[in-house]
Amino acid sequence: AQTVTQSQPEMSVQEAETVTLSCTYDTSESNYYLFWYKQPPSRQMILVIRQEAYKQQNATENRFSVNFQKAAKSFSLKISDSQLGDTAMYFCAFFGPRDNYGQNFVFGPGTRLSVLP
Amino acid sequence: DAGITQSPRYKITETGRQVTLMCHQTWSHSYMFWYRQDLGHGLRLIYYSAAADITDKGEVPDGYVVSRSKTENFPLTLESATRSQTSVYFCASRRSLAGADTQYFGPGTRLTVL
Repeated sequence: AQTVTQSQPEMSVQEAETVTLSCTYDTSESNYYLFWYKQPPSRQMILVIRQEAYKQQNATENRFSVNFQKAAKSFSLKISDSQLGDTAMYFCAFFGPRDNYGQNFVFGPGTRLSVLP
Repeated sequence: DAGITQSPRYKITETGRQVTLMCHQTWSHSYMFWYRQDLGHGLRLIYYSAAADITDKGEVPDGYVVSRSKTENFPLTLESATRSQTSVYFCASRRSLAGADTQYFGPGTRLTVL
């Protein structure tokens, strides 16, 4: 079964600084997708960025970028020029085949990020 | 407005009662999902549905029942609620299982079982 681990329960960063959130996962599959979701206090789940495992190039979305290391099964999120609105819970998620049966969507436990003024 | 909605947003019930959480989406997405969110666990998949009348178990299905008679609705029923089912429940939908498709989440339902 796939697992997703986020080793940093809480992090903080000063406004305008850069912060990196860690994520590791475990799978025996070669084709899958990885995501970072943001959950602000409103509880809405908002897609931040996605990465296809077959692409070697790291995904970027404006101030958000990832460092995808497939061999190491690592998928970190870098937030540049942090803004107060980035304060939220961030979830790393895996989407891919589930042990030869269907598909599986697995979320990590989350990292609570606080951006300090 | 188009989107995915959940009702009720908040619910308090007692142990042993039956509770149904509603989920409605307006995109005619084929796939719909129910997750529960608990501290330290992130989101865990309860059930999902590939189309009307097609459902399958996720990671934590015990104690829950789902149905999908119409594409746009995917209700989740707790037949006899237990305190361990106190959680925040999220419904989600997506057009297909292609990884590039976006999964849209509802606003969540906070359920408390006393």
